[in-house]
Amino acid sequence: SAVISQKPSRDICQRGTSLTIQCQVDSQVTMMFWYRQQPGQSLTLIATANQGSEATYESGFVIDKFPISRPNLTFSTLTVSNMSPEDSSIYLCSVRTVDTTGELFFGEGSRLTVL
Amino acid sequence: AQSVTQLDSHVSVSEGTPVLLRCNYSSSYSPSLFWYVQHPNKGLQLLLKYTSAATLVKGINGFEAEFKKSETSFHLTKPSAHMSDAAEYFCVVSVNFNKFYFGSGTKLNVKP
Repeated sequence: SAVISQKPSRDICQRGTSLTIQCQVDSQVTMMFWYRQQPGQSLTLIATANQGSEATYESGFVIDKFPISRPNLTFSTLTVSNMSPEDSSIYLCSVRTVDTTGELFFGEGSRLTVL
Repeated sequence: AQSVTQLDSHVSVSEGTPVLLRCNYSSSYSPSLFWYVQHPNKGLQLLLKYTSAATLVKGINGFEAEFKKSETSFHLTKPSAHMSDAAEYFCVVSVNFNKFYFGSGTKLNVKP
């Protein structure tokens, strides 16, 4: 299993600002993902965070808006840039660990409200 | 291509009665299938998973699901609902564990 810590757990931000979300995992992981869950919606994959290289973004998500870093195996950041109210969502970090049979583990999420 | 359809956006049951949450999938390859639960203001927790072993899968908290290839279904069931089961449930499909596709979710309401 894995324990995933996300910071901040929630924040209220002003339009036009940027916020960085941190994700720290307590065990070795094979893959790290960032998801967005808009109010009342399901989860949408933003990108796969690759260690030491650029993240792999899904259709509709771009690096300029959602820059991602992953400097080592257990830590990643997601920045939401130049925020607008449409970015108000829960952002979830998710991982696959080396000692499991494929399932994803999730942090509790970062709930962002953009005014 | 892979996709998941959760047939009911809301399900309401009385405490002590059976729960059935329906999920159909589409996959070009042999899929792995998962059910996750999300309680309010919480992250997602794995309930159970199917990864090509036994087709009837037992999970936590008395939930189980049966993989039916002929029907492309992976419905989640529980014999007797408890108030603490009220949450949102997501069916997820994956091929090779590199990408995971989420259904739209089913909100389960449990009435006393």
